[in-house]
Amino acid sequence: QLQLQESGPGLVKPSETLSLTCTVSGGSTSSTSYCWGWIRQPPGKGLEWIATIYYTGNTYYNPSLRSRVTISIDTSKNQFSLKLNSVTAADTAVYYCARQDTTMVASDWGQGTLVTVSS
Amino acid sequence: EIVMTQSPATLSVSPGERAALSCRASQTIYNKLAWYQQRPGQPPRLLIYAASTRATGVPARFSGSGSGTEFTLTISSLQSEDFAVYYCQDYNNWPLTFGGGTKVEIK
Repeated sequence: QLQLQESGPGLVKPSETLSLTCTVSGGSTSSTSYCWGWIRQPPGKGLEWIATIYYTGNTYYNPSLRSRVTISIDTSKNQFSLKLNSVTAADTAVYYCARQDTTMVASDWGQGTLVTVSS
Repeated sequence: EIVMTQSPATLSVSPGERAALSCRASQTIYNKLAWYQQRPGQPPRLLIYAASTRATGVPARFSGSGSGTEFTLTISSLQSEDFAVYYCQDYNNWPLTFGGGTKVEIK
């Protein structure tokens, strides 16, 4: 059974870099049938797509965050990662990692991790 | 960027009743529309893709319809576990965008 688990600091200071990793088990990040994405949800608000990556390294970014975001993949570790720099309080959110099919539908989600930006 | 608009924001329904949730796209997205359910404290769960295809394990009381710019998620007979927030999502365009959600609450 596929499982995705987010990990990383729960507290980040303003202007610093938020770094998260998603570890995949029960499936392979090398699969040609899927891609891997990050989505976030500010407390009490809706969902926002951040970025998606294929095993080849091809990436798609939300233009609203593109200048601050990097998504990467390490197929040898079966992990993919997110870096968001120059964070502000507006970046406080639950960050989810997800497996997407080739149409970009997110069929499987991690439990999410709350990241708070505060000094 | 495509704007997805969901209505109503909140829907009050009694258990056993039918609920119809609406999603409108700012331009045509053909049938590239997904619906997700999110219960409190849980990640979203894929219910419907391609506007009307149920995901694996989704009960038959959930159905999706529509194409182009107008879409509907119908829950035929609400069960206690169905009271949640529902989001629609465009996947015809990048960036992928979600609607603001419809909260289905117990009347």
